[in-house]
Amino acid sequence: DAEITQSPRHKITETGRQVTLACHQTWNHNNMFWYRQDLGHGLRLIHYSYGVHDTNKGEVSDGYSVSRSNTEDLPLTLESAASSQTSVYFCASSDENRRYNEQFFGPGTRLTVL
Amino acid sequence: KQEVTQIPAALSVPEGENLVLNCSFTDSAIYNLQWFRQDPGKGLTSLLLIQSSQREQTSGRLNASLDKSSGRSTLYIAASQPGDSATYLCAVKTETSGSRLTFGEGTQLTVNP
Repeated sequence: DAEITQSPRHKITETGRQVTLACHQTWNHNNMFWYRQDLGHGLRLIHYSYGVHDTNKGEVSDGYSVSRSNTEDLPLTLESAASSQTSVYFCASSDENRRYNEQFFGPGTRLTVL
Repeated sequence: KQEVTQIPAALSVPEGENLVLNCSFTDSAIYNLQWFRQDPGKGLTSLLLIQSSQREQTSGRLNASLDKSSGRSTLYIAASQPGDSATYLCAVKTETSGSRLTFGEGTQLTVNP
């Protein structure tokens, strides 16, 4: 079955370190998204991509970057981790030509920045 | 800018009760609206998606309705069960947002045996 996976599922890091969160989907979807979920803020969009080599900033993109070199993967990089980036991160994917562009989500990565 | 609100933030009901979760949005120019379920420590599972041209969608004991003109959607859960306990989120895709979704903060539902 097609799926979307994230790794690691849990990560503890220190302030100032570079961290990369992986997202891999086997749906063959064109669109991929990164969100963070925080109490009191709900899900907020960090970055998104509509295809290979396409990336766009979401509403909370400062301190994060993404690159899309193939259809399946959209890694999220925290260039210099800050305590404010402690959160749960979700990756999602969708396709304009399938099921009304319904989004499917990965299981999440819980990141703690000390 | 689209804003999505879900009220109440939390709801506790006895098993067997029929219940309604509410979602409102400020920009009625939507493409579709999606309801998700999230269990503690888990990702989001899509429950129902309603296109802007539709009034409702049904899946088992779940029924979602959409009133674009008033900026509202409801998720009706019939004969609630303890296994329905979870957080329910609605998300809206507007006509000008590409494939991006705007999420509400969710309603945390507890169904007591």
